[in-house]
Amino acid sequence: DAGVIQSPRHEVTEMGQEVTLRCKPISGHDYLFWYRQTMMRGLELLIYFNNNVPIDDSGMPEDRFSAKMPNASFSTLKIQPSEPRDSAVYFCASRLDRVNTEAFFGQGTRLTVV
Amino acid sequence: GNSVTQMEGPVTLSEEAFLTINCTYTATGYPSLFWYVQYPGEGLQLLLKATKADDKGSNKGFEATYRKETTSFHLEKGSVQVSDSAVYFCALSPTSNTGTLVYFGTGTSLTVIP
Repeated sequence: DAGVIQSPRHEVTEMGQEVTLRCKPISGHDYLFWYRQTMMRGLELLIYFNNNVPIDDSGMPEDRFSAKMPNASFSTLKIQPSEPRDSAVYFCASRLDRVNTEAFFGQGTRLTVV
Repeated sequence: GNSVTQMEGPVTLSEEAFLTINCTYTATGYPSLFWYVQYPGEGLQLLLKATKADDKGSNKGFEATYRKETTSFHLEKGSVQVSDSAVYFCALSPTSNTGTLVYFGTGTSLTVIP
């Protein structure tokens, strides 16, 4: 397996534009997580899915953020409209099951909103 | 609740020096404990783990022992190399029925100079 695949690796967009980040988890993994990493706040969990169902989105900062997982092999994180303070590295991670297993991270998407 | 506290960085060491990064945790029940490493420009990857008290996780010369009496999981390496320069995250995964999530510390940046 190629691991967790995220696209794009880098995204630069203007304030107010819609941004869509994409993630392909490892095949067979039941859990998918979206994290945001910034210098100020460290690694923050935004939302996670179990078997394609959103379980906890309490970490999503605002209504401008939304995430979907239409099937087991694909998830998106959308920001609409984007703001400069959304600039960060966004990581997707997948995990086989709920107990005693490691999370496999993608390489991240570096988002810059100007 | 569940949380992880790790020593603040940044840490700068000379090559071949001894490394300790402290990590303590708060958890209900008996969590699994992890150290993840993030190399520049990459996602987090599992370095080592321990699933029960007194277990020692080890990988690439790094070690950490699960100490229930002190609720600690300190990371150590006897002789660091320049290639060990990275950010290190301590993490826990609870084993309760609600233990789906992984709780990460804030990360400790390590720079090894020749």
